[in-house]
Amino acid sequence: DTEVTQTPKHLVMGMTNKKSLKCEQHMGHRAMYWYKQKAKKPPELMFVYSYEKLSINESVPSRFSPECPNSSLLNLHLHALQPEDSALYLCASSQDKGLNTEAFFGQGTRLTVV
Amino acid sequence: DAKTTQPNSMESNEEEPVHLPCNHSTISGTDYIHWYRQLPSQGPEYVIHGLTSNVNNRMASLAIAEDRKSSTLILHRATLRDAAVYYCILRDVVISGTYKYIFGTGTRLKVLA
Repeated sequence: DTEVTQTPKHLVMGMTNKKSLKCEQHMGHRAMYWYKQKAKKPPELMFVYSYEKLSINESVPSRFSPECPNSSLLNLHLHALQPEDSALYLCASSQDKGLNTEAFFGQGTRLTVV
Repeated sequence: DAKTTQPNSMESNEEEPVHLPCNHSTISGTDYIHWYRQLPSQGPEYVIHGLTSNVNNRMASLAIAEDRKSSTLILHRATLRDAAVYYCILRDVVISGTYKYIFGTGTRLKVLA
């Protein structure tokens, strides 16, 4: 199983809503990532978890709150978002050590903030 | 973070080879060069990676300059299914040992039938 599964595929939320994006992998990868991708732009790194601990936060606003409940799951909790936060949110995973550390990406959650 | 520079777009005829260039003049000695591609409405997909030597796999070849300041992804026979945005990425290692995958601007490849 070389899949990273993201749910939901699409999400529309109001600026006062609280919602969560979910990501799951069963490849035994101990590094997991959240990226944000605006239309016609490259993915931008948001957070990196290593062994279920937050390793990197790329100065992301606090309205985005990541969580890694176990080694297979990664959540992104959303609260009080702005319309400019509308984007494709991508999850990825990779082995944390070794040479063959390609990253596997999910298909993303397309988020629209209204 | 070391950065990569790629042409915005390229065109190729079907069944012909394609050479996609990437400049990474600030690459460090421990940065691996990765290539990913993103088809429309999909997440990025791994293509190939290397450190110093040229690499081949079933999808493509990666040619790395001797000084490692540039690299070229080679698709030997482009097909219509290869039309995508190709990203050259430097896989950076941070102090904690965690890897960072920082995307460049990408090259949009158009394949003409």
